[in-house]
Amino acid sequence: SQKIEQNSEALNIQEGKTATLTCNYTNYSPAYLQWYRQDPGRGPVFLLLIRENEKEKRKERLKVTFDTTLKQSLFHITASQPADSATYLCALVRGYNKLIFGAGTRLAVHP
Amino acid sequence: DGGITQSPKYLFRKEGQNVTLSCEQNLNHDAMYWYRQDPGQGLRLIYYSQIVNDFQKGDIAEGYSVSREKKESFPLTVTSAQKNPTAFYLCASSGAGGLTYEQYFGPGTRLTVT
Repeated sequence: SQKIEQNSEALNIQEGKTATLTCNYTNYSPAYLQWYRQDPGRGPVFLLLIRENEKEKRKERLKVTFDTTLKQSLFHITASQPADSATYLCALVRGYNKLIFGAGTRLAVHP
Repeated sequence: DGGITQSPKYLFRKEGQNVTLSCEQNLNHDAMYWYRQDPGQGLRLIYYSQIVNDFQKGDIAEGYSVSREKKESFPLTVTSAQKNPTAFYLCASSGAGGLTYEQYFGPGTRLTVT
């Protein structure tokens, strides 16, 4: 079955540095990959989508890469701020409008 | 959370009781979804509906039931057959055929069964 792995350990970084989160997947070749942000006790919020034929996608301080050979996506937040502290979820699109989610990686940005 | 409401935010029930979680959206989306989230695990799909009066089982449908009588509403019933119902439940919607497959989530309902 399809499997998505995200680093279960929290990522702690200093304000101003670049945060890099990893999403690895197996047994699947998704056409699309998404990233969501989730704050404690709240629903996830969509951030970015990247297609299989796109190597990189940017939105403001966010950058996502998608390597279909390695079956991996990297999510970068540049010039990180304490307000970026949250859990970030990777999701693969499967079938029509259905997603498989990873467990997420918690990011803590310290002043 | 915009456009999707879930109620209540916290729900407490005794074991053996059925409970219904509400989900309403005003985004005019065709597709709606129910997920369950447990600590350390990804969101798991319970049921989804692509159109009114139609719905399909997701990966963990046992012990749950849904209905889709109106486009705006997709209530989830957690029955007494669900062996481990305590969890955070999230409802989502998306525009059918959307190019991004972006899903919009509600604020969630935390259900505790004792």
